[in-house]
Amino acid sequence: EADIYQTPRYLVIGTGKKITLECSQTMGHDKMYWYQQDPGMELHLIHYSYGVNSTEKGDLSSESTVSRIRTEHFPLTLESARPSHTSQYLCASSEFGGYSAGELFFGEGSRLTVL
Amino acid sequence: GENVEQHPSTLSVQEGDSAVIKCTYSDSASNYFPWYKQELGKRPQLIIDIRSNVGEKKDQRIAVTLNKTAKHFSLHITETQPEDSAVYFCAAIYGGGADGLTFGKGTHLIIQP
Repeated sequence: EADIYQTPRYLVIGTGKKITLECSQTMGHDKMYWYQQDPGMELHLIHYSYGVNSTEKGDLSSESTVSRIRTEHFPLTLESARPSHTSQYLCASSEFGGYSAGELFFGEGSRLTVL
Repeated sequence: GENVEQHPSTLSVQEGDSAVIKCTYSDSASNYFPWYKQELGKRPQLIIDIRSNVGEKKDQRIAVTLNKTAKHFSLHITETQPEDSAVYFCAAIYGGGADGLTFGKGTHLIIQP
């Protein structure tokens, strides 16, 4: 079944560690996104990509980085995690962009806690 | 850029009553307005959307209305049920379209038994 997958679902790490949150989609979508969300709160766009080798920063400044080497894969990396990075990270994808925007499909999220 | 305002932040209604959530947007070029529902601990999921060439769209107990002149759109839920309890987000496509959706801050809908 086509879906968008995120790993790990939960991660607890110490300050200063490097972490990578994985996101893969089997929907054949070109556009992918990373949102940061505290539980039940506002969705903040931190990164997006139009396709392979395309990465852009979103509205919310983030110390994380992303890469898009394959269409289906859009990992997010924090080089040195801090307690302020504690949050839920939601990956999403969509079929279209621009004025033909289609439905945004979300993964189940990665809940990160930095001690 | 686009700015989406959503009200109220919390809405409590009796089971069986109607609920209305309102959003305004700033970019007159926006032309796609979806609504997402996020249950506790779950991912946001699209429940209904509307494009700018339509004024109203209905799907069973939920409906969305759009007033392009006033730049506002609303979600209407009739005959509310306990499973309607969730956070609801409105969104609008950013004028240039390149960045994707701009979301409102969300409304916590609580259905009282």
